Amino acid sequence: KNEVEQSPQNLTAQEGEFITINCSYSVGISALHWLQQHPGGGIVSLFMLSSGKKKHGRLIATINIQEKHSSLHITASHPRDSAVYICAVMEYGNKLVFGAGTILRVKS
Amino acid sequence: DSGVTQTPKHLITATGQRVTLRCSPRSGDLSVYWYQQSLDQGLQFLIQYYNGEERAKGNILERFSAQQFPDLHSELNLSSLELGDSALYFCASGSGSKYEQYFGPGTRLTVT
Repeated sequence: KNEVEQSPQNLTAQEGEFITINCSYSVGISALHWLQQHPGGGIVSLFMLSSGKKKHGRLIATINIQEKHSSLHITASHPRDSAVYICAVMEYGNKLVFGAGTILRVKS
Repeated sequence: DSGVTQTPKHLITATGQRVTLRCSPRSGDLSVYWYQQSLDQGLQFLIQYYNGEERAKGNILERFSAQQFPDLHSELNLSSLELGDSALYFCASGSGSKYEQYFGPGTRLTVT
C-alpha cells in the first residue's frame, strides 16, 4: 500500500462544477502539500498545510490530521484548471512523499 | 516564476554516458531538494542538501550523486546512464526552517 493515496485518479468536469480531490496518508507528517502540474511539466506549489484550512482564490485545501486526510476543492471550475494535481506529504526530516496524482480535465 | 532555476531544460544522451544537472535555489534558501519524475514511478525524492551538507536521502541510485556548493547552487550527477533513467528531474528549494518548497522548471533527460 502506498503511503499517499489520491482519489480519483482521473476526473472530468464541466466548466463551473465544484471539484473535490482527496488525499489519504498513512505516515506521521509535519506538513502536506498540494501541487499542480500542467502539461508542459512545470510544478507549482498551491498550498502547504499543517492544520485546518487554506483558501486562495477559487481553491480551498483542508486537512484533518487525526484522520490523516486532506481535500483540495476547486469552486467554479474552468478549463484552465485542467492539470495534474498532486498531494505530497512531508515526513519528519523534510522528505516529500508523493501521491500518484489526479488528472483533471475541465470541459467548456 | 518560483525563483528556482535549472539547467539545461532538455538533455539527450546515450546509454553509458554521464551528465550533470544544475540547480540554483531562490535567493536566501539554504535547502535544495532533488526529485525524479518518471512515467512508471511518478515523483520520487532523491536527496536533500542544506547549506552544503547532505540532510536526507531517498531513493537515489548509487550511480547518482549530488553536491551543494558554497554559493548554494547544487548539481546532480548521473553516471552510467540507462534507458530507465529517462525522466524529468526537478529541484526545489526551501528555507529549511519552514516546510514550503519552491520547484524549478525541471530538466527533461532522455537516454537513447
